[in-house]
Amino acid sequence: QKEVEQNSGPLSVPEGAIASLNCTYSDRGSQSFFWYRQYSGKSPELIMSIYSNGDKEDGRFTAQLNKASQYVSLLIRDSQPSDSATYLCAVDTGTASKLTFGTGTRLQVTL
Amino acid sequence: DTEVTQTPKHLVMGMTNKKSLKCEQHMGHRAMYWYKQKAKKPPELMFVYSYEKLSINESVPSRFSPECPNSSLLNLHLHALQPEDSALYLCASSQVLSGGRSGDIQYFGAGTRLSVL
Repeated sequence: QKEVEQNSGPLSVPEGAIASLNCTYSDRGSQSFFWYRQYSGKSPELIMSIYSNGDKEDGRFTAQLNKASQYVSLLIRDSQPSDSATYLCAVDTGTASKLTFGTGTRLQVTL
Repeated sequence: DTEVTQTPKHLVMGMTNKKSLKCEQHMGHRAMYWYKQKAKKPPELMFVYSYEKLSINESVPSRFSPECPNSSLLNLHLHALQPEDSALYLCASSQVLSGGRSGDIQYFGAGTRLSVL
């Protein structure tokens, strides 16, 4: 079983719509959860971090964490073509002191 | 400022060459990381340094040799690489190693794209 799972996509949404990206993880001891955006050929860029159950909003982005169900999601409101990228979910268990990445979901925002 | 600077941006080397990748941060972060990323794959952790000491080595071949001369600088020395080592090498840093608080956010440099011929 993979430690951090994401649907590889591509996830295609029209401009202005809400994009919903999901991630599940296997280690119940996980404490820190991150969403990174990566454009092709570029390095990962932090979008959101979340540590507690519930929602965390930052501009058009909302991260949602449910530790009981072991999933974390990212909602992107009013999607723009510039949001087209691969979104990486990353989980830090705290005990292993390292970040485990999912395989990423490729998002395409169409005009 | 969350800047991590990596040099060079691109590197082409032969299998007999010795080269080094450099990573620098001036955010006072005490944890630094090397990752390797192949096309269409997520970053793979190679090494972790915490307070200038090697904390994690993910069974990386000895042709990759990390060095942390001080709290701001991280090097990756390369020797006798293979063509399959061609990849994007990413450096990252965080305030602390881990622990479920905002200080463990990892910030990535722009990466070094390495081609081994």
